[in-house]
Order: sequence, then C-alpha cells, then structure tokens
Amino acid sequence: EADIYQTPRYLVIGTGKKITLECSQTMGHDKMYWYQQDPGMELHLIHYSYGVNSTEKGDLSSESTVSRIRTEHFPLTLESARPSHTSQYLCASSVMSGGGTDTQYFGPGTRLTVL
Amino acid sequence: EDQVTQSPEALRLQEGESSSLNCSYTVSGLRGLFWYRQDPGKGPEFLFTLYSAGEEKEKERLKATLTKKESFLHITAPKPEDSATYLCAVQAWNTDKLIFGTGTRLQVFP
Repeated sequence: EADIYQTPRYLVIGTGKKITLECSQTMGHDKMYWYQQDPGMELHLIHYSYGVNSTEKGDLSSESTVSRIRTEHFPLTLESARPSHTSQYLCASSVMSGGGTDTQYFGPGTRLTVL
Repeated sequence: EDQVTQSPEALRLQEGESSSLNCSYTVSGLRGLFWYRQDPGKGPEFLFTLYSAGEEKEKERLKATLTKKESFLHITAPKPEDSATYLCAVQAWNTDKLIFGTGTRLQVFP
C-alpha cells in the first residue's frame, strides 16, 4: 500500500545530541516537505524538495538540514539539539491533482523532546 | 500577505447537533483551498480541495463550500468519531507552498 512513513514516532534526547528524523514515501511523489507544528499552532514549512538533489529552506527559519539523495527518502538532521527544538515534525509529499494544485499527504509525525 | 484565519478555535457539539466551521482567507490569486482533519498526535489527513467560488464537495457527514473570501466546513449530525482538529490551508498561483490556519478543535459528545 502506498504511504508515507516517519521514524521514530517519539524521541526524547539530551541537549547537544545529533539526531536524524527519517521520512520515506512509497507513492513515487517528486515533491516532499518538512513542517514544524507546536500545540494549537499552525504548521510552518521548514524545508522542501522538488526532487533528487533539490532542497530549499521554507518560511520558518530552522537550524535543521535536509538531503534528498533518493526520490523516496527525505531525512531531516539536527546537528546539535536544543530545548527550543522541542516540537512535532511532520513530513509530507505531494502530487499534482486534476485541478492544477499540489495535494499534500502527511506522515504520522515525530514528536521530539529535547531535555 | 497570504493569510488564513479559522473560527471558532474550539467547538463542542452534542451528537447529532449540526454546525459549521469557518475559514477566512486572503491570498494573491487562489489556486486551491484545502481541508484536512488531524487527530491528536497524528499527521493531517486530506479531506477536500476546492478550486473556485461556488464549488461544494461532500464526504459522509462533511460538506465543504467556498466563496471568494471564505470556506465553510458543514458537519451534519456529527458523531463522537468526528472529534478532531480541522485545518484549512490555501495555495496561491505563484507558489507550491500551503498557508495553514491554526485549526478548529471539534469535540462531539454522545
């Protein structure tokens, strides 16, 4: 079944650690996105990619980095985690729909807590 | 600046009590307006895309409508399993990015 996966689902880690949040999709979508969401707040785009070897920063400034070496894989890395990075991280991929828009489909999210 | 405002922030309904959620938007040329459902601790689940004023779409107890300034998500005879946060997002013609509202948290009690 075509889907989008994120691991881990929950992560509690100490300050200064390097972490990588994994995102994979089996839908063959070219475009992929990373969002950050705090409780009761809107989703903020932090990174996106239009395809292999393409990565762009989103609207919200983030200390994270991303890579896109394979179409199906779009990992997000924090070199040195800080308590301010505590948040829900959502990965999405999109396909052009019949009306000319890009419909985004989301993974289950990773809840990150940095102590 | 493109912007999305959702109201109310929270809504409590009795099972079977119909109501509507509002999404007001300003965008430099609407390419599409999206409705998503988000359960606690999960990613948003796609519901509808609306493209032009006057358009309507339905799915089970949900119906989404669109005007030039706002969209409504009508919930008819809701059930407890409809409890979730409903998110609205817009996409402008000059971008692939979505601008999200903060959502309406719906609770339906039996």
